[in-house]
Amino acid sequence: GAGVSQTPSNKVTEKGKYVELRCDPISGHTALYWYRQSLGQGPEFLIYFQGTGAADDSGLPNDRFFAVRPEGSVSTLKIQRTERGDSAVYLCASSLGGSWDNEQFFGPGTRLTVL
Amino acid sequence: AQTVTQSQPEMSVQEAETVTLSCTYDTSESDYYLFWYKQPPSRQMILVIRQEAYKQQNATENRFSVNFQKAAKSFSLKISDSQLGDAAMYFCAYRSSTSGTYKYIFGTGTRLKVLA
Repeated sequence: GAGVSQTPSNKVTEKGKYVELRCDPISGHTALYWYRQSLGQGPEFLIYFQGTGAADDSGLPNDRFFAVRPEGSVSTLKIQRTERGDSAVYLCASSLGGSWDNEQFFGPGTRLTVL
Repeated sequence: AQTVTQSQPEMSVQEAETVTLSCTYDTSESDYYLFWYKQPPSRQMILVIRQEAYKQQNATENRFSVNFQKAAKSFSLKISDSQLGDAAMYFCAYRSSTSGTYKYIFGTGTRLKVLA
């Protein structure tokens, strides 16, 4: 595909369950970002990957959140023991590299609802 | 810690007119990067314009320009000749220049309405 894709587009789960959110970046983009956007807020940085490694995970709120990018392409954000406060839109973005002047291209997001 | 503040939750502009969206930030760093992003109802964020704090010259991209006041820590976005397609949420963002830091800090956004 031409752009960043995210699946599923919507996910409803129950409190305490485990969820996985997937991001397919633009082909050839080595940099990948995850953000969380709560209602009425701007995106909140979660984690940045350069290739397969998490180069900056300073935004992960706690150890229930984890992300992987095993082959340097697709990334999965994993949330354990979900809480109602985790309800938000989760955005993924990719760029050619991590430099500030490498434009981030965003996906449409996954809306997570925790009941 | 750095913060970004957008004090205008909502703005309206008449089509073809000019509008300015405000953004202020707080940082102790001398070099950093600033951005404006547009988020239409489709949710897909789009980069509008970016500026390196090291450069004093204001960035311009077609109808979009910024007024960067480093001493005042202000980074406003001016949209000229507003079009219906400009209606969206606009977010101001900050990124540190510190090596190994890739975190973008976003403001709470301004919803822009364009009136026909």
